[in-house]
Amino acid sequence: EVQLVESGGVVVQPGGSLRLSCAASGFTFDDYTMHWVRQAPGKGLEWVSLISWDGGSTYYADSVKGRFTISRDNSKNSLYLQMNSLRTEDTALYYCAKDLRPRGWLPIDYWGQGTLVTVSS
Amino acid sequence: DIVMTQTPLSLSVTPGQPASISCKSSQSLLHSDGKTYLYWYLQKPGQSPQLLIYEVSSRFSGVPDRFSGSGSGTDFTLKISRVEAEDVGVYYCMQGIHLSRYTFGQGTKLEIK
Repeated sequence: EVQLVESGGVVVQPGGSLRLSCAASGFTFDDYTMHWVRQAPGKGLEWVSLISWDGGSTYYADSVKGRFTISRDNSKNSLYLQMNSLRTEDTALYYCAKDLRPRGWLPIDYWGQGTLVTVSS
Repeated sequence: DIVMTQTPLSLSVTPGQPASISCKSSQSLLHSDGKTYLYWYLQKPGQSPQLLIYEVSSRFSGVPDRFSGSGSGTDFTLKISRVEAEDVGVYYCMQGIHLSRYTFGQGTKLEIK
């Protein structure tokens, strides 16, 4: 059974930094592209970032480019999101998600339960 | 970025009746590789999104056959042949034709009458 468990969400002040983690199990982690997708309270879904199965390629939404960094440690079956220069508009539930096919790009098939990041003074 | 527009934004359906959701993209989602990068997700109340349909019309594993997807180019439709109580939630379409420029529709909330 695929499991994605996010952690690291807290309340942080504007301009602050945070690192989210996602522990993956139930599949061959290093075969799959992984994503972060966020959902502001009461709002829709916004794709944030992806990293290829080998970590060699990373992509970001314009809204976070230059501030967020996605990474992975395949030896630990873990995905990360380093978030710097946080803004109030980054407040959201952050989901870790995996691709459907090995060594592919979309669609996302499984999502974690999310970790809540609140940016507030 | 490609804008995804869903209609309606909400619908209330009697159990056993059909339902249909439209999703229109501001650009064609047909890639030069022949695939159309349009997906449908359902977010049930208090849950994470779940994949229903990928590449317009392929049902994901375990998705009941009362769900079907159709369309091409810029116009797409998700149909539920006979709505059940467990189908309540918010339905999102998503496009993925350009790597890293992925966008979702606003969501359509399905309620049961």
